Amino acid sequence: QVQLVQSGAEVKKPGASVKVSCKASGYTFTSYDINWVRQATGQGLEWMGWMNPNSGNTGYAQKFQGRVTMTRNTSISTAYMELSSLRSEDTAVYYCARGRRFSPWGQGTLVTVSS
Amino acid sequence: QSALTQPPSASGSPGQSVTISCTGTSSDVGGYNYVSWYQQHPGKAPKLMIYEVSKRPSGVPDRFSGSKSGNTASLTVSGLQAEDEADYYCSSYAGSNNLIFGTGTKVTVL
Repeated sequence: QVQLVQSGAEVKKPGASVKVSCKASGYTFTSYDINWVRQATGQGLEWMGWMNPNSGNTGYAQKFQGRVTMTRNTSISTAYMELSSLRSEDTAVYYCARGRRFSPWGQGTLVTVSS
Repeated sequence: QSALTQPPSASGSPGQSVTISCTGTSSDVGGYNYVSWYQQHPGKAPKLMIYEVSKRPSGVPDRFSGSKSGNTASLTVSGLQAEDEADYYCSSYAGSNNLIFGTGTKVTVL
């Protein structure tokens, strides 16, 4: 079945970077965009951007431009989202989701930013 | 861009219907037929329930339906069941390869 499996929880210090992975299975990885969405505890969903795994083209929400980088490794059907210059407000669960319909979603990766 | 506006909460008794609104602008909800709805249970990842305003993915019960009028989209859950208790989020394409989510609505089954 179609599945996205994300990397495990991370704890980072302010100013550091974090790289979250999203491994796809059950479909042709290069046929669907990968989107990234985050959710702070008790808060709503926030779209961060998208990546086309075939071309590598990306589009980032204005809020994250300059701080986020989305990449992929097609040989292992894995997408990556790297967020730099972390601050406490970046503490959240980060999700990847397949395609324009955002279906399915990965299980989420908790990133905690704390000194 | 600000989040799409949803009511914080909605409720209904088992078997009843509940409708959730999602209000945006002509630059997002009103401008495109790319409104989706997601269900999220506590501690779980969101799940697609409706896409392109009113289309249901396979496996989603037909109790879930979507519609749009002007800048406001709506999700209706008919024949409420206990397992429908969850948070629901709308999203809309907002042009220039951008997407925006709603503020979220907690649905309670009384």
